[in-house]
Amino acid sequence: QKEVEQNSGPLSVPEGAIASLNCTYSDRVSQSFFWYRQYSGKSPELIMSIYSNGDKEDGRFTAQLNKASQYVSLLIRDSQPSDSATYLCAVNFSGFQKLVFGTGTRLLVSP
Amino acid sequence: NAGVTQTPKFQVLKTGQSMTLQCAQDMNHNSMYWYRQDPGMGLRLIYYSASEGTTDKGEVPNGYNVSRLNKREFSLRLESAAPSQTSVYFCASSVTESNQPQHFGDGTRLSIL
Repeated sequence: QKEVEQNSGPLSVPEGAIASLNCTYSDRVSQSFFWYRQYSGKSPELIMSIYSNGDKEDGRFTAQLNKASQYVSLLIRDSQPSDSATYLCAVNFSGFQKLVFGTGTRLLVSP
Repeated sequence: NAGVTQTPKFQVLKTGQSMTLQCAQDMNHNSMYWYRQDPGMGLRLIYYSASEGTTDKGEVPNGYNVSRLNKREFSLRLESAAPSQTSVYFCASSVTESNQPQHFGDGTRLSIL
């Protein structure tokens, strides 16, 4: 059973703070990892992808991957109220030709 | 640049009625997917099509059928709708079925009474 787990939240942070969203997965041999943002009532939107261990930065977003520990995280610096959304972690497990999604973490950024 | 287009956006059905959800992508992607999203359940894969001419069951295929009409279009059919199929349905596509992110349509909100 391929699994992707996330804390459902809500994770509440004040405006300007760093939001840290975490995701663990069940298979050590996984190849690609994605973070999607989903606003209430909208469709998931890809915001980050990461394929190798370490950090990947894109603007205010940093994805971190640690395959040995089987976790991937998303850091949002200088959080804004517009970042309030549910963040979905998705993993492409090796040999399993489909993305598996976590249930998402709801982030609330207060002004 | 339309991306993934789903129709209709909203639909209300009575139990036992049938309907087809339409999906089309203009990104020349090979793979297409149908998901349902229910509160607390996350995205669950119903069916997918790795390439034109192929379809495979996902996690929750019962009560659904699909057709990959051509490379652009992938439809989802409910033959006899049940209240348990009330959900938000998302179509997605990717370049291939492996190691690729998926791009989602806006969703179809389906209620079955």
